[in-house]
Amino acid sequence: QKEVEQNSGPLSVPEGAIASLNCTYSDRGSQSFFWYRQYSGKSPELIMFIYSNGDKEDGRFTAQLNKASQYVSLLIRDSQPSDSATYLCAVISGGSNYKLTFGKGTLLTVNP
Amino acid sequence: DAGVIQSPRHEVTEMGQEVTLRCKPISGHDYLFWYRQTMMRGLELLIYFNNNVPIDDSGMPEDRFSAKMPNASFSTLKIQPSEPRDSAVYFCASSPSPWGENTEAFFGQGTRLTVV
Repeated sequence: QKEVEQNSGPLSVPEGAIASLNCTYSDRGSQSFFWYRQYSGKSPELIMFIYSNGDKEDGRFTAQLNKASQYVSLLIRDSQPSDSATYLCAVISGGSNYKLTFGKGTLLTVNP
Repeated sequence: DAGVIQSPRHEVTEMGQEVTLRCKPISGHDYLFWYRQTMMRGLELLIYFNNNVPIDDSGMPEDRFSAKMPNASFSTLKIQPSEPRDSAVYFCASSPSPWGENTEAFFGQGTRLTVV
């Protein structure tokens, strides 16, 4: 079983809609969770960080974490064509070893 | 700060040749990571350093790969000999701390390696 799983997509939504991106992880002791955005040919850039169960909102982005279900999601409200990118879920494993493990990413396309 | 700086941006080499990728982390960051990204396997952690010391190299695929960090401002990833299956984008990232909130790993622009 892979450590961090994401649907590869592509996920296609119309402009203005809500895009929902999902991620599951296998290490129950995982402590920190990140969402990175990667445009084609570019490096990943952090857009959200979540540490505790529940929701965390930042502008149009909301991260949701459910540690009991080992599930983390990212909602993008009022999606814009500029949001079209690959979204990478990343997890820091439990214990003292700082291992930031990424999922393979979900390709999001927002259609004008 | 200019961010994480990697060089070269692109590298094309012949199979069997030695390849050296370079990285300058953000000043003051104690952690440095080397990742490899391919379509098939996504973004894989190869090795990471803390205060110039390698902590976890379990992701290094084979003995052909080696990484060093001689000082806080410079790291190299070497492949010798290179093989076509090493073709990928190699990212270097640095982070001030792994724990707590507002922790972020900053990525360099990557080196696109093509082995022919």
